[in-house]
Amino acid sequence: KQEVTQIPAALSVPEGENLVLNCSFTDSAIYNLQWFRQDPGKGLTSLLLIQSSQREQTSGRLNASLDKSSGRSTLYIAASQPGDSATYLCAVRLSGGSNYKLTFGKGTLLTVNP
Amino acid sequence: ETGVTQSPTHLIKTRGQQVTLRCSSQSGHNTVSWYQQALGQGPQFIFQYYREEENGRGNFPPRFSGLQFPNYSSELNVNALELDDSALYLCASSLGGGRTEAFFGQGTRLTVV
Repeated sequence: KQEVTQIPAALSVPEGENLVLNCSFTDSAIYNLQWFRQDPGKGLTSLLLIQSSQREQTSGRLNASLDKSSGRSTLYIAASQPGDSATYLCAVRLSGGSNYKLTFGKGTLLTVNP
Repeated sequence: ETGVTQSPTHLIKTRGQQVTLRCSSQSGHNTVSWYQQALGQGPQFIFQYYREEENGRGNFPPRFSGLQFPNYSSELNVNALELDDSALYLCASSLGGGRTEAFFGQGTRLTVV
């Protein structure tokens, strides 16, 4: 059974700081991995999708890396802003017969202080 | 291009009642998945519909059921509501049986009293 863990559970940083969010998964036979952002009480906004054959993806100030063999992904946020405050969720899709579903971590609650 | 839309946004029901939640998939997407998110937890997979057929189900009882229509919109039905069913219900749409990037709606907040 795939399990996804996100560390830390919460993070508070001053504006302008670069930061890294961590995601680990127990089954390395993944099809892809997706990072999401969730504002309080709202739905999920897709940030980055990394296919199993890729090592990293970039979008603006965001960079996500994937190391399948060690079961880890990181989300790097450069020059953080107060508007980046949200919960960040990592989700993994297995390869093979169970590839219809995403397995989520519990998320990291990020607060960027002005 | 329209995104994923869900209705209603909020709902209050009494224990034992039945509820129907609705989702319109993103234009061109043929796959819809439903997730349940309890407070402080990550979303949990309920089931997925691909071309009007259920093609995957999570660890949820049969009182959770669904439909997908020819236009690829979907419904989630929950019978005999329990207090623990209180959660944010999220719908995601994608292509090709769900293996591509998933796009989520804003969710329906269900409260069971």
